[in-house]
Amino acid sequence: AQTVTQSQPEMSVQEAETVTLSCTYDTSESDYYLFWYKQPPSRQMILVIRQEAYKQQNATENRFSVNFQKAAKSFSLKISDSQLGDAAMYFCAYRSPFFNAGNNRKLIWGLGTSLAVNP
Amino acid sequence: EAQVTQNPRYLITVTGKKLTVTCSQNMNHEYMSWYRQDPGLGLRQIYYSMNVEVTDKGDVPEGYKVSRKEKRNFPLILESPSPNQTSLYFCASSPGGGRNQPQHFGDGTRLSIL
Repeated sequence: AQTVTQSQPEMSVQEAETVTLSCTYDTSESDYYLFWYKQPPSRQMILVIRQEAYKQQNATENRFSVNFQKAAKSFSLKISDSQLGDAAMYFCAYRSPFFNAGNNRKLIWGLGTSLAVNP
Repeated sequence: EAQVTQNPRYLITVTGKKLTVTCSQNMNHEYMSWYRQDPGLGLRQIYYSMNVEVTDKGDVPEGYKVSRKEKRNFPLILESPSPNQTSLYFCASSPGGGRNQPQHFGDGTRLSIL
């Protein structure tokens, strides 16, 4: 079974600085999908960025980028020019291809990293 | 606006009193799913549905029921709630096909069972 590990329960960063959140996963599948979700105090679950395992190029969305290391099974999130609004819980999630999962698109989640942004 | 709508957002109730958390999406998505979020346990899938009248158990289905009579709606039913079902619940939806369709989440429902 696949697992997702976020080894940093809490992190902090100064406003305008860069921070990297770590995520590792365990899988025997060669094709899969990885996601970072943000959960602010409002408790909404907001998609930040996604990566397909077959793509070697790291995904980027504005100030957010990932470092996807398939061989190392690592999927870290880099937040550049951190803003106060980035303060939230960040979750890393894994999904199998639906044909490997009985058509279930279940996300397997890490336990999250709480990010504080200091002014 | 494309969205997943959950109701209620908050509910405090007592053990054994049946309750339903509604979930509705306006994106014509085939796939819908329920998760619960608990401290130290993360998010775990309760039930999912591939399409109308097609539902299946996730990882923690005990004590819950679902139905999918219409494509847009996927209610979560607690027939006899117990305190261990106190949690934050999320409904999610995504298209059925495609390789990497992200899931859209509702705003969450905080249930407290006394």
